[in-house]
Amino acid sequence: RKEVEQDPGPFNVPEGATVAFNCTYSNSASQSFFWYRQDCRKEPKLLMSVYSSGNEDGRFTAQLNRASQYISLLIRDSKLSDSATYLCVVSQGAQKLVFGQGTRLTINP
Amino acid sequence: DADVTQTPRNRITKTGKRIMLECSQTKGHDRMYWYRQDPGLGLRLIYYSFDVKDINKGEISDGYSVSRQAQAKFSLSLESAIPNQTALYFCATSDSGTSGTGYEQYFGPGTRLTVT
Repeated sequence: RKEVEQDPGPFNVPEGATVAFNCTYSNSASQSFFWYRQDCRKEPKLLMSVYSSGNEDGRFTAQLNRASQYISLLIRDSKLSDSATYLCVVSQGAQKLVFGQGTRLTINP
Repeated sequence: DADVTQTPRNRITKTGKRIMLECSQTKGHDRMYWYRQDPGLGLRLIYYSFDVKDINKGEISDGYSVSRQAQAKFSLSLESAIPNQTALYFCATSDSGTSGTGYEQYFGPGTRLTVT
């Protein structure tokens, strides 16, 4: 079983739609959680950290469920520029980030 | 200028050749990492370093070596390249002093390596 699992997609949604991704992790000792965004042929960039109480950044909302060991990302009012691969990332400490394989999202006009 | 730079950006080499990928950062971070990315497999950690005197193996270190020449520089070597080392290689940095959310990593632009 992979340490971090994501549905690879691709997800194709119309502009303006709401889309949600889920991610599960296997190590209950995981401490920190992130969503990274990666554009085609580019480096991953931090989109947002995920806090235990859930957090929102504009159109993006992240949730963490420690009991069920899953993380979610919700994108509201999606834009064409949201097209990218979204990486779920889990840390067991500073020395190790574990990346999911990513979920590919395409927003269609 | 970019905070994390990698050279070369693209490289084609032959099986058996030695190759070095270089990473430099101006972020002042003490921690540096090397990853490779393969389609369908995500990013996997090769080596990481917490300071100049610290080198640690990651998930897939076989066939690779690293050198931390200075706080700002971390190089990755393939002593004898083989075709299954064809991948996209990323360097990343983080700051041990970061509080709060903890340990976000900042990536360089990547080196696309092809071994023929």
